[in-house]
Amino acid sequence: DAGVIQSPRHEVTEMGQEVTLRCKPISGHNSLFWYRQTMMRGLELLIYFNNNVPIDDSGMPEDRFSAKMPNASFSTLKIQPSEPRDSAVYFCASSLRFSTGELFFGEGSRLTVL
Amino acid sequence: GEDVEQSLFLSVREGDSSVINCTYTDSSSTYLYWYKQEPGAGLQLLTYIFSNMDMKQDQRLTVLLNKKDKHLSLRIADTQTGDSAIYFCAESFSSGKLIFGQGTELSVKP
Repeated sequence: DAGVIQSPRHEVTEMGQEVTLRCKPISGHNSLFWYRQTMMRGLELLIYFNNNVPIDDSGMPEDRFSAKMPNASFSTLKIQPSEPRDSAVYFCASSLRFSTGELFFGEGSRLTVL
Repeated sequence: GEDVEQSLFLSVREGDSSVINCTYTDSSSTYLYWYKQEPGAGLQLLTYIFSNMDMKQDQRLTVLLNKKDKHLSLRIADTQTGDSAIYFCAESFSSGKLIFGQGTELSVKP
């Protein structure tokens, strides 16, 4: 079985540009999470969905960040406009059941904003 | 509030036992987890413990939970160089949220 698939794996962009990160969860999983990892702040929960519905987006840092899950097999995290402090590794994870902590992580998207 | 704390680094010799510690603040968590992250990869679930248990053993891994002190530990017996990684503890809530600690970087020296 394929795991959680994220794209792109690496992105380098200039300040002010729009960035879109993509995630395909494991088939049959009904919860999806977006995390951000930096040296300074560790692993931060940005937003999570259950059955394609956003449950808690209180971790989204600013209005520049938005996330969607139009169907059970696809989610996007968008940053517009991007800033250098957004540079981080962004992880998507999915789980089979809601409120279980058994998450399956993708390999992450490393974003560098110049 | 929801906060999970870990020490940042641990260095051990190959063959020794490693003990990674974690403290958490919210006693309403249902399960507590240990994840492992190898360089350049996502996190992988290692083991977990239900919040009404004291101990769980899984091969070389032993998880101890002191609910009174809100303290969780992971012991790795006979640590190998392949165990070098970052280890995260995490707590889950009925809201669906999963909160991670900062991670402990384990370095195993031959």
